[in-house]
Amino acid sequence: GIQVEQSPPDLILQEGANSTLRCNFSDSVNNLQWFHQNPWGQLINLFYIPSGTKQNGRLSATTVATERYSLLYISSSQTTDSGVYFCAVLFSGNTPLVFGKGTRLSVIA
Amino acid sequence: EAQVTQNPRYLITVTGKKLTVTCSQNMNHEYMSWYRQDPGLGLRQIYYSMNVEVTDKGDVPEGYKVSRKEKRNFPLILESPSPNQTSLYFCASRKGYQETQYFGPGTRLLVL
Repeated sequence: GIQVEQSPPDLILQEGANSTLRCNFSDSVNNLQWFHQNPWGQLINLFYIPSGTKQNGRLSATTVATERYSLLYISSSQTTDSGVYFCAVLFSGNTPLVFGKGTRLSVIA
Repeated sequence: EAQVTQNPRYLITVTGKKLTVTCSQNMNHEYMSWYRQDPGLGLRQIYYSMNVEVTDKGDVPEGYKVSRKEKRNFPLILESPSPNQTSLYFCASRKGYQETQYFGPGTRLLVL
């Protein structure tokens, strides 16, 4: 069946470190988004990136649709980056966004 | 400001007492949907709507109803809430099939 797998499930970083989060998906996609769920539960849009590379400040993302994966890079991490990062995919022929289980990031000062 | 709003943000109720969680978007989006988030289960879609008067079931529709009488509003109705509907609920919307999806701030529901 269609699947979205994220790794690692948990990550602890020292403030200032860099990290890479990965999202693998099982089929061709029409839409891929990265979200950050902050400690208050809000889902914040980071990137809409079905293919290619985008950057926004310290965050960037790359999706290689032909190889069915996407990467989220966080550079010079800050404590405010803590939370859960979700990859969500809209598979071809389906309507709902399918979410991965997320990567829980803790940035320690 | 373009946004998706939900009300209430927090709700404690008792088993069997009907409730409605409202959702509204001001972006003229066609697609709207409801998700619930539970520990260990992630986010799962409850219902979605592709336009006014068009709704369909998601992955976990049991115990929920929705309606889409206006483009901007998509209320979630729990006719007879039960404790297993205790969850964090999100409303979402997007313009078209391959567009960015935006989420509301969430509604934390506790059913006693």
